Amino acid sequence: KAGVTQTPRYLIKTRGQQVTLSCSPISGHRSVSWYQQTPGQGLQFLFEYFSETQRNKGNFPGRFSGRQFSNSRSEMNVSTLELGDSALYLCASSFPPYNEQFFGPGTRLTVL
Amino acid sequence: AQSVTQLGSHVSVSEGALVLLRCNYSSSVPPYLFWYVQYPNQGLQLLLKYTSAATLVKGINGFEAEFKKSETSFHLTKPSAHMSDAAEYFCAVSEGNAGGTSYGKLTFGQGTILTVHP
Repeated sequence: KAGVTQTPRYLIKTRGQQVTLSCSPISGHRSVSWYQQTPGQGLQFLFEYFSETQRNKGNFPGRFSGRQFSNSRSEMNVSTLELGDSALYLCASSFPPYNEQFFGPGTRLTVL
Repeated sequence: AQSVTQLGSHVSVSEGALVLLRCNYSSSVPPYLFWYVQYPNQGLQLLLKYTSAATLVKGINGFEAEFKKSETSFHLTKPSAHMSDAAEYFCAVSEGNAGGTSYGKLTFGQGTILTVHP
């Protein structure tokens, strides 16, 4: 099976812009979770989607949003970018019951 | 609320020596526990998982971990370090529900960077 794929791998934006990141889960996986990784805050949970519904949400401002499509592919959007949004954004897919998560390579976002 | 503490942000060992990476968790319900490894500029790779079936869990690349409920610990070990083990390691916890399914939210420790010297 192909692994989790994320596009693009690298992205450079300026403050105030918005960005959309894409994630394709492993075939058959219906849960997709998003994480932000920074040197200062480590790995932080953003949100999880299961069958096109947001099932879990982390403690991030409303500028961070996501959605999931019927084929389980997911996108996350960050509006009004701030310098502090520079991070590695990781997507993971999983399958019940234990939901061990399989991670993609990440999208490295740099905000200038 | 669940939380994870990894003791030691950096661990250095010699090639062939024992690797011990410490992880303590806090959870209000029986947890599911995971260890992940991350190599530079890559995503996270699952090393092993604890899902209440057995307290001693064996994973890939010769790693294993023991779940100790009384100590709320899930330390990762490998008998003999190899140069290729140099990476950052993350312990994570996911809460289970009454039906035995865990949700898609992992809470991670701050990570431990493992350095292996020749």
